Amino acid sequence: GENVEQHPSTLSVQEGDSAVIKCTYSDSASNYFPWYKQELGKRPQLIIDIRSNVGEKKDQRIAVTLNKTAKHFSLHITETQPEDSAVYFCAASKNSGNTGKLIFGQGTTLQVKP
Amino acid sequence: KAGVTQTPRYLIKTRGQQVTLSCSPISGHRSVSWYQQTPGQGLQFLFEYFSETQRNKGNFPGRFSGRQFSNSRSEMNVSTLELGDSALYLCASSLDGGAVNTEAFFGQGTRLTVV
Repeated sequence: GENVEQHPSTLSVQEGDSAVIKCTYSDSASNYFPWYKQELGKRPQLIIDIRSNVGEKKDQRIAVTLNKTAKHFSLHITETQPEDSAVYFCAASKNSGNTGKLIFGQGTTLQVKP
Repeated sequence: KAGVTQTPRYLIKTRGQQVTLSCSPISGHRSVSWYQQTPGQGLQFLFEYFSETQRNKGNFPGRFSGRQFSNSRSEMNVSTLELGDSALYLCASSLDGGAVNTEAFFGQGTRLTVV
């Protein structure tokens, strides 16, 4: 069935360091991979996404890489700041009438220590 | 542009009761999806509605149902509530680009507590 595994479940870094979160998906038909950030008590918000025809995408301090062969995708945050502390979720989806169905990973709690 | 609005924000219900949650999507968005968020299970897909039709369904029992109205507003209903149904219920709306995924915007959620 459809499944997304996310690691690690918790991650603690010093301010200024980099953070990497990794996800693996099971459905080879998946072709859309968004990342959401959820701060305590708030709604999940999209921070970056990548489609299967692209191997890497960057947006300032955030980047996502995708390896379709291995069915892996990763979130990279550089120069972390205390405001990056939150829970991060990866997700996978596919087209053809399934665009509204996101399969989420279990989440990673990122703590950035000042 | 107004965001996704969910009502009510908080609910306390007794086991065996039923509950209806409401979601108003962003204007122009036709796809509405519902998710259950719990500490142990994370974010789990319940179902998706598009043009008043259920397009996708997750692995939840039949006690969980939903519908979508012609203005794209959606409701979900949970009957015969169980303690394990206590969770944050999130809805998300998207423009639905047809063959291309578009960003899903989440509401603030409804916190349901079953006692």
